[in-house]
Amino acid sequence: AQKITQTQPGMFVQEKEAVTLDCTYDTSDQSYGLFWYKQPSSGEMIFLIYQGSYDEQNATEGRYSLNFQKARKSANLVISASQLGDSAMYFCAMREGLEGAQKLVFGQGTRLTINP
Amino acid sequence: ETGVTQTPRHLVMGMTNKKSLKCEQHLGHNAMYWYKQSAKKPLELMFVYSLEERVENNSVPSRFSPECPNSSHLFLHLHTLQPEDSALYLCASSQDPGGDYTGELFFGEGSRLTVL
Repeated sequence: AQKITQTQPGMFVQEKEAVTLDCTYDTSDQSYGLFWYKQPSSGEMIFLIYQGSYDEQNATEGRYSLNFQKARKSANLVISASQLGDSAMYFCAMREGLEGAQKLVFGQGTRLTINP
Repeated sequence: ETGVTQTPRHLVMGMTNKKSLKCEQHLGHNAMYWYKQSAKKPLELMFVYSLEERVENNSVPSRFSPECPNSSHLFLHLHTLQPEDSALYLCASSQDPGGDYTGELFFGEGSRLTVL
């Protein structure tokens, strides 16, 4: 069974608008972590934001926020005031357990295109 | 220097060649990883090294052979590869989570491999 599901293969958004990228996950662990990464055309995976399963507040990092709904097992990424440089692939990932080496499982990704 | 450096960035090899991918991290992390990224597939975790000991081998064919001589260097030795092995190979490093550190992976820019 797929552990991370990203249902939007592609998204097109007008510059300066907010955008929500969907992510649902599947785990029976109580302790886990959720990550979002951005991959521009250069190939490097850039860490954006993290949410721990015990964190009660939604994580925020600048223009990025994570809408964490534990009961629904969803961890959507919200980008406010989108910019042209936000055009990239975005990956949701999960780590089961909170110790030791970080074996992240990734979703299929969403290709986000920001239009001027 | 950038945090995680991969060489070569591009590699073309025949099915009978032997080549190696190199990864170096300058972040003082204690775990290193190889991921494979193929078109239209999620990132696949191949190998994990924690404190220079291999802790994960995700049913990777023996034509891929990892080596971790110290905590800063990771190699992926390639021999008798198949055309379906053509992909972007991403190296990453991390430190065990704790305190304010979330344990996110820091990725290199990848080595684009083409097998003819």
